[in-house]
Amino acid sequence: DTEVTQTPKHLVMGMTNKKSLKCEQHMGHRAMYWYKQKAKKPPELMFVYSYEKLSINESVPSRFSPECPNSSLLNLHLHALQPEDSALYLCASSHFSGTDNSPLHFGNGTRLTVT
Amino acid sequence: GENVEQHPSTLSVQEGDSAVIKCTYSDSASNYFPWYKQELGKRPQLIIDIRSNVGEKKDQRIAVTLNKTAKHFSLHITETQPEDSAVYFCAASKAGTASKLTFGTGTRLQVTL
Repeated sequence: DTEVTQTPKHLVMGMTNKKSLKCEQHMGHRAMYWYKQKAKKPPELMFVYSYEKLSINESVPSRFSPECPNSSLLNLHLHALQPEDSALYLCASSHFSGTDNSPLHFGNGTRLTVT
Repeated sequence: GENVEQHPSTLSVQEGDSAVIKCTYSDSASNYFPWYKQELGKRPQLIIDIRSNVGEKKDQRIAVTLNKTAKHFSLHITETQPEDSAVYFCAASKAGTASKLTFGTGTRLQVTL
């Protein structure tokens, strides 16, 4: 069982579609993350939210729009994606103290295919 | 920014043998070094981590060593089993960055019978 839940598990979308990925955790973590992982590559950080505020944006194109409605939820809104955006999108969460790092807990990911 | 190099990219060992994966990092301010195991089609899962105030940490068949001076850390798996077959990622981060991890490129470990 994973403590970070992502939906949907799979998503196929056209380049003109608008869709959203959802992530939920109930571990009381105050830091949440979006990572993108291409096949046979390590996860690449996209966004970090700390206490529901966007703290890191790794120069991600604006066609990806994150949202953190509350401390348990994280969304990634997708619009006008390109085929090269096809990847596994991983959500993660962790404690955040600002002075010490904590392990990331990953969800099972959403496998996105852009056609 | 931080750069993490990981070797080897693939590793094949016989069941019962030991496996060692090595990583180097570039930012001397990094102080947290986790290792993740990712099975095919699954999420990365933390298997062990170490902080810069510790030189070695063990958890059953898994151990991690850290050499801050040389800026490298290693994962050691003893008595390997077929279920250890997976991709292993090392990572590094520094305090105050909400666990902003920089991952190594990964090592595909194959444990053969």
